[in-house]
Amino acid sequence: QSVLTQPPSVSAAPGQRVTIACSGDTSNIGRNFVSWYQHLPGTAPKLLIYDNDQRPSGISDRFSGSKSGTSATLGITGLQTGDEADYYCGTWDLNLPASFVFGTGTKVTVL
Amino acid sequence: QVQLQESGPGLLKPSQTLSLTCTVSGGSISSGSPFWSWIRQHPEKGLEWIGFIYYSGTSDHNPSLKSRVTMSLDPSKNRFSLRLTSVTAADTAVYFCARGRSNTEGDLHFDFWGQGTLVTVSS
Repeated sequence: QSVLTQPPSVSAAPGQRVTIACSGDTSNIGRNFVSWYQHLPGTAPKLLIYDNDQRPSGISDRFSGSKSGTSATLGITGLQTGDEADYYCGTWDLNLPASFVFGTGTKVTVL
Repeated sequence: QVQLQESGPGLLKPSQTLSLTCTVSGGSISSGSPFWSWIRQHPEKGLEWIGFIYYSGTSDHNPSLKSRVTMSLDPSKNRFSLRLTSVTAADTAVYFCARGRSNTEGDLHFDFWGQGTLVTVSS
């Protein structure tokens, strides 16, 4: 059971905006950097955001990340059918012993 | 562009040892200070970090796996490996290898991933 909580699902129509929250605590998000991943089943997960709000080269600026306190948020604007996937946040958890943890995952559905 | 490819047996019996290899192309496993990592996904579940081996050879792993995990590097073949002993049905999962990067303390992120390989543990 993950220490990072995400909503199981979010949905919106094409062109709309969705946000995915990742809730943690002071031992993980509150102290460390958050990354976000997109995963289409059967494929390699893709890094969307690292260091809370940085996009790797080649990632569309439709994807954005932010962090405040013990929560992080992934935003997707101009939703496209190709965005339909599972999304995970991830960060270090410093509860001894330390471990990297992923969020529970959010399924994005494009209506 | 770095590419990673997992390989290894797809079916194991309980108590056997899982051995997977990740072959890296498009870059040397010894350069750039990477954290060569393993991550798995149980059926219908989320991602679980297994551990990493740093390019220097030091490693760290998920404490939930206790002492069952061993990781190694083979720079001569540009690949790294995972061994997980005493497997049970609970180890049935898709196993991914990935390249981890860290820009500063408190940061670890995975920028390149393999496609994943399904490992099933069944008697």
